[in-house]
Amino acid sequence: AQSVTQLDSQVPVFEEAPVELRCNYSSSVSVYLFWYVQYPNQGLQLLLKYLSGSTLVESINGFEAEFNKSQTSFHLRKPSVHISDTAEYFCAVSDRDSGNTPLVFGKGTRLSVIA
Amino acid sequence: GAGVSQSPSNKVTEKGKDVELRCDPISGHTALYWYRQSLGQGLEFLIYFQGNSAPDKSGLPSDRFSAERTGGSVSTLTIQRTQQEDSAVYLCASSLTFVGYGYTFGSGTRLTVV
Repeated sequence: AQSVTQLDSQVPVFEEAPVELRCNYSSSVSVYLFWYVQYPNQGLQLLLKYLSGSTLVESINGFEAEFNKSQTSFHLRKPSVHISDTAEYFCAVSDRDSGNTPLVFGKGTRLSVIA
Repeated sequence: GAGVSQSPSNKVTEKGKDVELRCDPISGHTALYWYRQSLGQGLEFLIYFQGNSAPDKSGLPSDRFSAERTGGSVSTLTIQRTQQEDSAVYLCASSLTFVGYGYTFGSGTRLTVV
């Protein structure tokens, strides 16, 4: 069964600095990968996803993630963060060849952007 | 509806009581999922419904937990004889058949067992 490791539980970063939130999954089989964001006191929202094709995927608010099959990673990056990016970020994975199995989520990384 | 609706948003109950949590998914979404979110523990899968297929109950932590989905739409998660360790945010999500579309989550029900 898949598992997801988010290596950092908390990441503080100054406004306008770059950030990387790390995510590794356990199996090298074909996968679908997702990043979800949870703003304070709100539900989870889909941020971006990798299904196939280009290994670099982007969101509408400047985040990007790169699928690396050899390292079983899907790290999330942003070159310049804003205060409004303060939130908890969850990485999730699903095995492509196991049918529509439920997503397996990591424990989350709390990003705190400091003015 | 426009989104996934969960009720109640907050529930405080006494240890030993039964509780029912409701989820109303997006119309047309065939798949419905329940997860539990505890502080520092991420999202724990509980149960999954897909169309008329038998539900995947592999994540239910004990036989005190059960869920049903009526008419392929609304779902109810029931916790019997609640314990303090059941305190968490219970999240419902729905999706189209293909998991690649991603899930739409509700805002959750915060359950506190006192």
